[in-house]
Amino acid sequence: GAGVSQSPSNKVTEKGKDVELRCDPISGHTALYWYRQRLGQGLEFLIYFQGNSAPDKSGLPSDRFSAERTGESVSTLTIQRTQQEDSAVYLCASSLQGLSSYNEQFFGPGTRLTVL
Amino acid sequence: GDSVTQMEGPVTLSEEAFLTINCTYTATGYPSLFWYVQYPGEGLQLLLKATKADDKGSNKGFEATYRKETTSFHLEKGSVQVSDSAVYFCALSGSNYQLIWGAGTKLIIKP
Repeated sequence: GAGVSQSPSNKVTEKGKDVELRCDPISGHTALYWYRQRLGQGLEFLIYFQGNSAPDKSGLPSDRFSAERTGESVSTLTIQRTQQEDSAVYLCASSLQGLSSYNEQFFGPGTRLTVL
Repeated sequence: GDSVTQMEGPVTLSEEAFLTINCTYTATGYPSLFWYVQYPGEGLQLLLKATKADDKGSNKGFEATYRKETTSFHLEKGSVQVSDSAVYFCALSGSNYQLIWGAGTKLIIKP
């Protein structure tokens, strides 16, 4: 089946605008993850969903960031009042289940966000 | 807390050279260890993994052995190709669901 898809692939916005990033996980995957990857750096965990609930939101960098997931499927990551430091690639991943140390995560291609 | 340290890149090699990308980790308990690869213009994909000490993960000619005594998981390949040019990430998965990532190592293979 299809892999994890994300949209848009690129987003350029002005400082202060809100943006919404979308992730479609692999069908049947109950766990979904959002990461941020700044240029030349590793992945920074943002939030994890198990089904529709988010047991851990501790990685969200500020209250301008929020995420939701509906129907154990699509997830949206919303950034309000964007700042230049929000510029990064936002990656989504899904896995069959969370809460497992043998957890292979499948990644989408990412959304490159540029805040001017 | 848990952490992963990788050798800084870029690493530039000639085709057919031997490759080592170092990865060391700090973790409580017994994490699983992973190497992910990101080819140009593509998403991250799992390259190989090892779930317990002394396990060897292998795929596409790449190997890495889980060394608990040295807390290392170095990636090796005997003869690299131009198509191996990519960014390689070492990661660990501990007692919870999170993957802890290294900063990535860019590999450039010249023909």
